[in-house]
Amino acid sequence: NAGVTQTPKFRVLKTGQSMTLLCAQDMNHEYMYWYRQDPGMGLRLIHYSVGEGTTAKGEVPDGYNVSRLKKQNFLLGLESAAPSQTSVYFCASFPSGRTYGYTFGSGTRLTVV
Amino acid sequence: AQKITQTQPGMFVQEKEAVTLDCTYDTSDPSYGLFWYKQPSSGEMIFLIYQGSYDQQNATEGRYSLNFQKARKSANLVISASQLGDSAMYFCAMREYGGNNRLAFGKGNQVVVIP
Repeated sequence: NAGVTQTPKFRVLKTGQSMTLLCAQDMNHEYMYWYRQDPGMGLRLIHYSVGEGTTAKGEVPDGYNVSRLKKQNFLLGLESAAPSQTSVYFCASFPSGRTYGYTFGSGTRLTVV
Repeated sequence: AQKITQTQPGMFVQEKEAVTLDCTYDTSDPSYGLFWYKQPSSGEMIFLIYQGSYDQQNATEGRYSLNFQKARKSANLVISASQLGDSAMYFCAMREYGGNNRLAFGKGNQVVVIP
């Protein structure tokens, strides 16, 4: 099915470990976004990309890195995980030239202990 | 500065009643879009309705309508004839056309529909 796929769906990390979250979309969307959702905070933008090979910082970028080497994939990396990064992470994509039509992944629940 | 404000505490709504969720926004961009999303307990983000800043009429989608008051910078969601399946968290979001299509979200409103 066309859409946004996030891998993994769940993960438990120890403090200081690293990991990469993968977001893959098969809709040829130009724009891709990583958000984190914490209780009572809504969704906050971490990083985003306006096209292959581009990345930019969002509202809460510290502690995360991203890469978009291929148009369909947007990777979110945690180099040294901290308990404050315990959250639910959502990826979203959006096509250029549209007024609406964001597609969200199903989320990754990450716990850092 | 917070761009989207949702301040209502959790709400209990009687089944078949209507419910209004408040959303105010802040932007200096004349071109923007407003969205409402539903997040049930299963966690996925479900798009409900969209309103463009230049749209003359309030948006409607089935039982959902958006009460858009541009001068007051408010975009309230109205859910008519509530159903048990409407129990969820609801998020208001804004896209500023000059902002690389980024969506800024409010903190959400929790709605519980009771039979």
